[in-house]
Amino acid sequence: NAGVTQTPKFRILKIGQSMTLQCAQDMNHNYMYWYRQDPGMGLKLIYYSVGAGITDKGEVPNGYNVSRSTTEDFPLRLELAAPSQTSVYFCASSYSPGGRKAGANVLTFGAGSRLTVL
Amino acid sequence: KQEVTQIPAALSVPEGENLVLNCSFTDSAIYNLQWFRQDPGKGLTSLLLIQSSQREQTSGRLNASLDKSSGRSTLYIAASQPGDSATYLCAVRRGMEYGNKLVFGAGTILRVKS
Repeated sequence: NAGVTQTPKFRILKIGQSMTLQCAQDMNHNYMYWYRQDPGMGLKLIYYSVGAGITDKGEVPNGYNVSRSTTEDFPLRLELAAPSQTSVYFCASSYSPGGRKAGANVLTFGAGSRLTVL
Repeated sequence: KQEVTQIPAALSVPEGENLVLNCSFTDSAIYNLQWFRQDPGKGLTSLLLIQSSQREQTSGRLNASLDKSSGRSTLYIAASQPGDSATYLCAVRRGMEYGNKLVFGAGTILRVKS
C-alpha cells in the first residue's frame, strides 16, 4: 500500500517553463488536494477535488491548473513558471463518506515536491 | 475569514518535560480540527483529529483538547523524547458552505534536547 505518491521530488525550472507535478493515491479516496508550503508559513490550498471529474479552486489557484480524470490521479500543472511559485508542494487525499458531504476526514499526505523557479 | 495561529513559533525543552502547544482560530464554526507532525523534508503525518462535538482525543503520550467556543486547541505531549522533535501543525476544517477545506496554522517547531 503506497499511500500518496508524488513525483518528482525535486525540480528546477526556468521562468516561463511549464511542468506537471504528479500525484497518485491507491486508497480509493474521493477527496484530493494540492497545497503549497512556503518557509515559516502554513499550508495554502491551491486546488482540490471531491471526486473524478470535479475540481474546485482553493486559496491560491492563480498560475495553476488541475484535472481529475480518475479517482487515483490528481496532477497539478504550472503553465508559465514564475519565481513566486518556488515552494514545496504537497498532495493529500482523504475519504469523505457521501461524496460532497463533509465527513470525519483524516488527510494522508505525500512526501512533497520541492520546486525552484529561477 | 478563518485564520489559524500557533504559539509559540518555536520551543526547545529538555527530554522528559511535559509540554503544551497552542492553536487558536478566529471562526468557531468548524467541522473538526487536526494536529499534524512534519519532519524536516517530509510530508505531514496526522496525529489526532477532534470532531467539533468532542472535547479531547488521546493517542499514547499525546492529548489534544478543543474548546470551540473560545477558538482554542492544545496539544499536550507527556514525557517528551528527542524523537518528538518536529514541526507540529494544527488545521481546522470548515463546513460544506466553505468547500470543506482545511485551514492550517504556520506550525510550532519543537526541539527536545537529550
